[in-house]
Amino acid sequence: EPEVTQTPSHQVTQMGQEVILRCVPISNHLYFYWYRQILGQKVEFLVSFYNNEISEKSEIFDDQFSVERPDGSNFTLKIRSTKLEDSAMYFCASRMGFRGFTSTDTQYFGPGTRLTVL
Amino acid sequence: AQKITQTQPGMFVQEKEAVTLDCTYDTSDQSYGLFWYKQPSSGEMIFLIYQGSYDEQNATEGRYSLNFQKARKSANLVISASQLGDSAMYFCAMREGAGFNKFYFGSGTKLNVKP
Repeated sequence: EPEVTQTPSHQVTQMGQEVILRCVPISNHLYFYWYRQILGQKVEFLVSFYNNEISEKSEIFDDQFSVERPDGSNFTLKIRSTKLEDSAMYFCASRMGFRGFTSTDTQYFGPGTRLTVL
Repeated sequence: AQKITQTQPGMFVQEKEAVTLDCTYDTSDQSYGLFWYKQPSSGEMIFLIYQGSYDEQNATEGRYSLNFQKARKSANLVISASQLGDSAMYFCAMREGAGFNKFYFGSGTKLNVKP
């Protein structure tokens, strides 16, 4: 069964360093998302991406964040200068995109990248 | 106001018994979708079940069913015949409207299944 993959599974970085989190969405999906989950807290929306552009972003997604779909398969989240508070699990999700709602139009999540900023 | 409220931070259930995890939601949209995800200790988010706002019947997927009460804006997850492998965090989520729309997640319920 197709699945969303993410690399790396765990990234440790120093404060102020740039990190790139990578995701490969399910191949025929059209909508892509990044979420984050600070340890012990709820999952929070960061950004959605469709047709090679950001469709929506949250307050968390400031100028330090950027997303890119550099080729037909990868979807990346870049944090330019990491802060301690960026330590979290980052989830990529993808969705096929139908009109209306069906269970097959849910968002499928990757396994996450645990980012630790020291 | 919170879009999704899960009022049970932790629940215990005996193996083979049924358990209900509560979820209430807040939206003024007529079209929305409600989702439940399971997050084991390994961290991944596993999709369990979906309920559309226009669905007249409660959704079921194997041992999972969704008790959808639209007037009360609740979408409780029922797990029948609990298994040890059901021990995990469970998140309720909502998507409003259609299109790109993001998910709003609740704070989760930690379910522990006792042998």
